[in-house]
Amino acid sequence: GQQVMQIPQYQHVQEGEDFTTYCNSSTTLSNIQWYKQRPGGHPVFLIQLVKSGEVKKQKRLTFQFGEAKKNSSLHITATQTTDVGTYFCAGLHVNDYKLSFGAGTTVTVRA
Amino acid sequence: EAQVTQNPRYLITVTGKKLTVTCSQNMNHEYMSWYRQDPGLGLRQIYYSMNVEVTDKGDVPEGYKVSRKEKRNFPLILESPSPNQTSLYFCASRAGGGPYEQYFGPGTRLTVT
Repeated sequence: GQQVMQIPQYQHVQEGEDFTTYCNSSTTLSNIQWYKQRPGGHPVFLIQLVKSGEVKKQKRLTFQFGEAKKNSSLHITATQTTDVGTYFCAGLHVNDYKLSFGAGTTVTVRA
Repeated sequence: EAQVTQNPRYLITVTGKKLTVTCSQNMNHEYMSWYRQDPGLGLRQIYYSMNVEVTDKGDVPEGYKVSRKEKRNFPLILESPSPNQTSLYFCASRAGGGPYEQYFGPGTRLTVT
């Protein structure tokens, strides 16, 4: 079936450093969404990207959607302890209703 | 407050004992889904429903049933639970089948012994 691959699975970051998580699809996506799940919590919607090459920012978080609409990235600058959690990308494939989730990137932060 | 509720939040049961996990949303959403979350595997869709009386299989439907008799409710039924169904389950809803934000319930931690 249609899949969305996400790397890395784990990211251990020193507080203040930057990191990036990547999402790749085998087929073209109509849009991509990003969710954050805090430890012990449920996934919460962060943002949606729809246009080819789109870039959106939320404070220290920068989201990109690739030109071919097959990949996306989330870049976090100056990581803080509040960034701890698992980040999921979820792609909606063209002519499909199902959101395909990546396996997630679990982020831990060293103070 | 817009929300998705699930019950129970925690459940320990034995193999073969039928159980139902309820899910309800108050946002008048058409589209509802059930996911299971397992370490390293992310969120895998079990079943989804496009509207009342319209349900379809997701990626991992074996061993599960669902129904959608009312728009707000989407229960997940395990007729004969097995240990490999031990997992964290999330119900979710969104306005429609298109590019809409998805809202998740708080999760149900199920253990089958």
